[in-house]
Amino acid sequence: QVQLVESGGGVVQPGRSLRLSCAASGFTFSTHGMHWVRQAPGKGLEWVAIISYDGSDKDYADSVKGRFTISRDNSKNTLDLQMNSLRPEDTAVYYCTKAVGVATIGDWGQGTLVTVSS
Amino acid sequence: QSALTQPASVSGSPGQSITISCTGTSSDVGSYDLVSWYQHHPGRAPKLMIYEVTKRPSGVSHRFSGSRSGNTASLTISGLQAEDEADYYCCSYAGSPWVFGGGTKLTVL
Repeated sequence: QVQLVESGGGVVQPGRSLRLSCAASGFTFSTHGMHWVRQAPGKGLEWVAIISYDGSDKDYADSVKGRFTISRDNSKNTLDLQMNSLRPEDTAVYYCTKAVGVATIGDWGQGTLVTVSS
Repeated sequence: QSALTQPASVSGSPGQSITISCTGTSSDVGSYDLVSWYQHHPGRAPKLMIYEVTKRPSGVSHRFSGSRSGNTASLTISGLQAEDEADYYCCSYAGSPWVFGGGTKLTVL
């Protein structure tokens, strides 16, 4: 059974950094691309970033490009999201998700809340 | 890339059928056979219900079905049950990025 467990959320001041992690289990992590998706309070879902199965390819939403970095460690089955220069509009629940099939976002974690506020 | 357009809310009585629309453009919904639908009960992990426009993951009820016409995809839920009450989101691959709809709140009366 696929399990994705996010951690690292919390309250942070604007301009500061935060690193999110996702522990994956129940599937062969090293053969799947992974995404981060977020949901701001009272808003819809927003795709944030993707990393290929081996970490060689990455892409980002325009709203986070240059500030966020997605990475993975296939030896530890973990996915990370380094978030720098945080803004109040980055406040959201961040979900770790597993890619399936051709280009589908499949399984999701429970999410971790990031609040950017002074 | 703009968000896909979904109705804010839909409702139906138990046993009835409802359809949720998801309107995009020729750059996303209309271009790729890569539309998916998610069920989200607040506080829980979203769940994949439909992928690649019409396909149903194993374990998802046959009451859920997907379709597409032009730039509009649709999710139909037949035989509504109380447990279907949730938020539903569509998503389309758009050549990276992926773009989501704003979400539709389904109320089972």
